[in-house]
Amino acid sequence: GAGVSQSPRYKVAKRGQDVALRCDPISGHVSLFWYQQALGQGPEFLTYFQNEAQLDKSGLPSDRFFAERPEGSVSTLKIQRTQQEDSAVYLCASSLSPGTVGLEQYFGPGTRLTVT
Amino acid sequence: GESVGLHLPTLSVQEGDNSIINCAYSNSASDYFIWYKQESGKGPQFIIDIRSNMDKRQGQRVTVLLNKTVKHLSLQIAATQPGDSAVYFCAENGGDSSYKLIFGSGTRLLVRP
Repeated sequence: GAGVSQSPRYKVAKRGQDVALRCDPISGHVSLFWYQQALGQGPEFLTYFQNEAQLDKSGLPSDRFFAERPEGSVSTLKIQRTQQEDSAVYLCASSLSPGTVGLEQYFGPGTRLTVT
Repeated sequence: GESVGLHLPTLSVQEGDNSIINCAYSNSASDYFIWYKQESGKGPQFIIDIRSNMDKRQGQRVTVLLNKTVKHLSLQIAATQPGDSAVYFCAENGGDSSYKLIFGSGTRLLVRP
């Protein structure tokens, strides 16, 4: 059984470019999360989807960040006009049921974004 | 693979010894806690969790202890193996049965053969 997959695994962008990061959650998982992990830090919550509905986007750092999950499965995190401070690993996680405590979030391997 | 973190606190233990990794959490309202293991180039992997109505929970070779009085969480790994070498993060949920996880800054565990 496949786990959470993310693509690309590595992305180098020039400052000002737009990027799109893809997440394929585990099939059938209702909840999907995006996290940002800076070097030497723990992951920080960005946004949460329940099926196709984005229920929480409180962690998105600016309006340059946009996430979608139009059919309730694959999700895309888009960053417009990338800045150097956007350099980080972007992690996607999914869980089986609606976001409630006690349900394991399965993480993908992440996309390492480097903005030059 | 890439390093998960270059300047993390590091715990170095001899293979076969027991390891104890500590974490101070931030929100007294948190009611759910998780320990994750992250190897270089990979996403965090669930190890064990505990709810706030418990003070101890055991898994296979791992034990989590929760002290709500001082907002302290610890992970004990018995008979540490080379495969346990990784960065370990504690996470809390901030209370109200929230799904939103708040991660600590991590500890690197190095197992000496």
